[in-house]
Amino acid sequence: QKEVEQDPGPLSVPEGAIVSLNCTYSNSAFQYFMWYRQYSRKGPELLMYTYSSGNKEDGRFTAQVDKSSKYISLFIRDSQPSDSATYLCAMNRGSTLGRLYFGRGTQLTVWP
Amino acid sequence: DTEVTQTPKHLVMGMTNKKSLKCEQHMGHRAMYWYKQKAKKPPELMFVYSYEKLSINESVPSRFSPECPNSSLLNLHLHALQPEDSALYLCASSPQTSGGLTDTQYFGPGTRLTVL
Repeated sequence: QKEVEQDPGPLSVPEGAIVSLNCTYSNSAFQYFMWYRQYSRKGPELLMYTYSSGNKEDGRFTAQVDKSSKYISLFIRDSQPSDSATYLCAMNRGSTLGRLYFGRGTQLTVWP
Repeated sequence: DTEVTQTPKHLVMGMTNKKSLKCEQHMGHRAMYWYKQKAKKPPELMFVYSYEKLSINESVPSRFSPECPNSSLLNLHLHALQPEDSALYLCASSPQTSGGLTDTQYFGPGTRLTVL
């Protein structure tokens, strides 16, 4: 079993839709949770960063972490065609030097 | 400014060539990373430098040789690569303010490498 599971999609939604992206994980030691957005042939761009359980909101983006269920989510409100990208979840145990555990990434297309 | 720069953007090399990838950050970050990313896959960690010392080598073949000349620069020297090494090579950095490498990593745009 992979440590981080993420449905690769593809996911296709109309402009203005609410998008829900999710990851599950198996290692209860994970404490730091990140979402990266990666456009085609570009490097990952940090979107959201949360520590432990809870919610964090930044503009149209909301990140949720439920450590009891080992489940994290990223919600995108009022989605735009410019949100079309691959979204990678990543997490870290906090005690292992520099090691990020990534999901496979979900490919999202927002059509006008 | 959370910018990590990488050069070149694209590189095509033969299996007998020697080339280098360069990465630079001016955010004062003390940890720097090299990742390899194949199409439709997540980044795979290759090397981690902490305070200019190699902290992690993920059993990467010796044809990849990292170097950290100072706290702002990270190089990846390439020699005798194979076609299967063709990928996007990503550099990242993190502040390492807590004393452990738990800080958020910021990625550069990557170098797209093609080995013929």
